[in-house]
Amino acid sequence: GESVGLHLPTLSVQEGDNSIINCAYSNSASDYFIWYKQESGKGPQFIIDIRSNMDKRQGQRVTVLLNKTVKHLSLQIAATQPGDSAVYFCAEKGNSGYSTLTFGKGTMLLVSP
Amino acid sequence: DSGVTQTPKHLITATGQRVTLRCSPRSGDLSVYWYQQSLDQGLQFLIQYYNGEERAKGNILERFSAQQFPDLHSELNLSSLELGDSALYFCASSPGPTGGGYTFGSGTRLTVV
Repeated sequence: GESVGLHLPTLSVQEGDNSIINCAYSNSASDYFIWYKQESGKGPQFIIDIRSNMDKRQGQRVTVLLNKTVKHLSLQIAATQPGDSAVYFCAEKGNSGYSTLTFGKGTMLLVSP
Repeated sequence: DSGVTQTPKHLITATGQRVTLRCSPRSGDLSVYWYQQSLDQGLQFLIQYYNGEERAKGNILERFSAQQFPDLHSELNLSSLELGDSALYFCASSPGPTGGGYTFGSGTRLTVV
């Protein structure tokens, strides 16, 4: 498959563990945040989003936490599976009507069976 | 299948040449976004079109241009290609001009030799 980055932070976990991926965002005016998953050779895939009026949102096996005070976003994956192995990106969007998604550098998650 | 179609999947061309990348958005989506993903720069926003009109511009070089046609498909034209233009080029789409997450295609891998 194709690598999306040679110097990405990497998180290695065992199957069944819980994973936490962190992201520091840059724009204090951002009001919408998304986590994307990118598998080798594929495009980014939407996982979960959160608006700035919330601090936590849960999906299926995933939870996103938002701390606006320190401009920090995290993605928690419960009972991590080998199929979760991928690069994870956080993305933010400002509150201007012309804002577009700005992506972070990404974190590679490696899940061992 | 995300519903966003990009062609070609792979493209190899020589420096100085010109190429066209094509994107068909998901059915019903009016916005198209182009992103460049390189090893050292991550996902960089290039340009957005909404319903045929340019809406937002990112770090797009003057050698690059794009358009969105009446049937809503979009083309990204890259000219006077340089080695450094080698990257993955992603197209994404969304229903409206501003909102929500984007649905990404599987990308075009451009290699300039």
